[in-house]
Amino acid sequence: GESVGLHLPTLSVQEGDNSIINCAYSNSASDYFIWYKQESGKGPQFIIDIRSNMDKRQGQRVTVLLNKTVKHLSLQIAATQPGDSAVYFCAESTFYSGYSTLTFGKGTMLLVSP
Amino acid sequence: DGGITQSPKYLFRKEGQNVTLSCEQNLNHDAMYWYRQDPGQGLRLIYYSQIVNDFQKGDIAEGYSVSREKKESFPLTVTSAQKNPTAFYLCASSIGTGGTEAFFGQGTRLTVV
Repeated sequence: GESVGLHLPTLSVQEGDNSIINCAYSNSASDYFIWYKQESGKGPQFIIDIRSNMDKRQGQRVTVLLNKTVKHLSLQIAATQPGDSAVYFCAESTFYSGYSTLTFGKGTMLLVSP
Repeated sequence: DGGITQSPKYLFRKEGQNVTLSCEQNLNHDAMYWYRQDPGQGLRLIYYSQIVNDFQKGDIAEGYSVSREKKESFPLTVTSAQKNPTAFYLCASSIGTGGTEAFFGQGTRLTVV
């Protein structure tokens, strides 16, 4: 598979623990944020999103928190499972030359031990 | 099934050759994107297209070219001018640009031999 995890920050947890993955974004004008999960050798998969008029959004076992004051985004995964092991990316919607595109962070590798 | 398809999954190129990576989507999305991913780095935007016959350069467009003749297709050509083309290439699409989720293909791994 792809070695996309080389040199990435790594979070190691035990199965059943709660995991928190953090992300600092750069553009205070960004108004939309997404978390993606990427397994080795595959394309990123959508996990959860949040708009800038919210500070918290919950999904199934996942919660995203947005702190616009310090430009910080976090992903909380409850009862982490071995299948959650992957690289997690945050992305912000950025205005670029008259259009908006998604700008990605460098990613965090989550390793879940049984 | 709706989705976004990239082909081939693995591609080998000799130095000095141009190669074209395919990306097709049947989601009826207007916007399409190409990203490059290197080990230890996030995704970097190469090109994007908001509508047919229109596309814009991203952060690392040098050495790449694209076309958008059909809504469902957004091929990427890696030219000989790209000095370090070995990478994992990801295509994505979304309903529109900005404020919407992007759906990704499974990627093409390009290796220069």
